Amino acid sequence: DSGVTQTPKHLITATGQRVTLRCSPRSGDLSVYWYQQSLDQGLQFLIQYYNGEERAKGNILERFSAQQFPDLHSELNLSSLELGDSALYFCASSTEIVDEQYFGPGTRLTVT
Amino acid sequence: AQSVAQPEDQVNVAEGNPLTVKCTYSVSGNPYLFWYVQYPNRGLQFLLKYITGDNLVKGSYGFEAEFNKSQTSFHLKKPSALVSDSALYFCAVRGMNTGFQKLVFGTGTRLLVSP
Repeated sequence: DSGVTQTPKHLITATGQRVTLRCSPRSGDLSVYWYQQSLDQGLQFLIQYYNGEERAKGNILERFSAQQFPDLHSELNLSSLELGDSALYFCASSTEIVDEQYFGPGTRLTVT
Repeated sequence: AQSVAQPEDQVNVAEGNPLTVKCTYSVSGNPYLFWYVQYPNRGLQFLLKYITGDNLVKGSYGFEAEFNKSQTSFHLKKPSALVSDSALYFCAVRGMNTGFQKLVFGTGTRLLVSP
């Protein structure tokens, strides 16, 4: 158990809908990262927050957004969902940016 | 730009034999290098990292990795494979330069250890 929790584990929704994925980092970790894992794209970095502030964006679509709250948990919002958004979404956390990242169990999103 | 190559989609090894999973990288300046393992329907688990110091890094579950600067490689090794080592292995790299540099992952290598 990495200490990173993600909810929900599974999510099935229809095209055009909006969903929110939630992540709680390990106790004491200030950095939160979001990744998307799909068969054709591999593991793609989406966005990073550090102590409530956005630090970097990767391959994140404009339909997606995220935030980190004062208690350090983070939410990833996916809107106007398309079939191609079906993937595993992972949250990871680290103490400092240079440290190793610890991954949550992921949320499997299926868009039908 | 940073990049990681894992040239083998799959590595097959018999239980008890040594295993090697290959990784080469490209980064500006000195690298931070990581290995992660992913079991089915699970998140990635951190195995080991190289920051600086000894080129041979020891990690979890008996794994080790050798950093070779001249060959820009960071191969994962284990002296004696277990069936339970069967999983998907990812190599990752980020640069040491100041400012944010994302962790770039390879495409993964599936390790299959046969009894």
